[in-house]
Amino acid sequence: EAGVAQSPRYKIIEKRQSVAFWCNPISGHATLYWYQQILGQGPKLLIQFQNNGVVDDSQLPKDRFSAERLKGVDSTLKIQPAKLEDSAVYLCASSSGGHGTGELFFGEGSRLTVL
Amino acid sequence: AQKVTQAQTEISVVEKEDVTLDCVYETRDTTYYLFWYKQPPSGELVFLIRRNSFDEQNEISGRYSWNFQKSTSSFNFTITASQVVDSAVYFCALSVIYNTDKLIFGTGTRLQVFP
Repeated sequence: EAGVAQSPRYKIIEKRQSVAFWCNPISGHATLYWYQQILGQGPKLLIQFQNNGVVDDSQLPKDRFSAERLKGVDSTLKIQPAKLEDSAVYLCASSSGGHGTGELFFGEGSRLTVL
Repeated sequence: AQKVTQAQTEISVVEKEDVTLDCVYETRDTTYYLFWYKQPPSGELVFLIRRNSFDEQNEISGRYSWNFQKSTSSFNFTITASQVVDSAVYFCALSVIYNTDKLIFGTGTRLQVFP
């Protein structure tokens, strides 16, 4: 079974530029998550989708971050314009969802460096 | 508010030593879930265990064991006879009943096992 796929693995941009990350979850997983992991910290949930609807985006900085999951499968996370403090690893995860097992399957992450 | 504290930032041991990773949580909810995830150098987090707040039984899985004590709000993780492959960052996490898949992570403990 293929795992959660993310791209790109690494991205370096200058502040005020934009960037987009892509995630393809495990086939059949209804729930998809984007987490931000700043160096030395634990992952923080940015947004949670159930199929193509948003369950929780309370910690998403909506003035600069956006995410979509149009067909309930893959997802894109965009940052525009980027700030220095956005330097982090962006982790995508998926789960079969619905009954809250808490067993999330994570991708390897996309590491963003903002200069 | 919910919070997870992992006071140990980094632990180094020699192979075959036993090691315990501490986790203390805070929540006002009576129903909640606790988790441990492992993050190897490749970056993806791997689910290890889930415990619900009504189940205080300790669990053992091979060289891994978990000690859940509600009285001290702790959910500690012990690796017996550590191996080099155990080297990773370990995260403790918490979720609550109204969104059991929304994980609140601690800051992680980096375990280095030397041969």
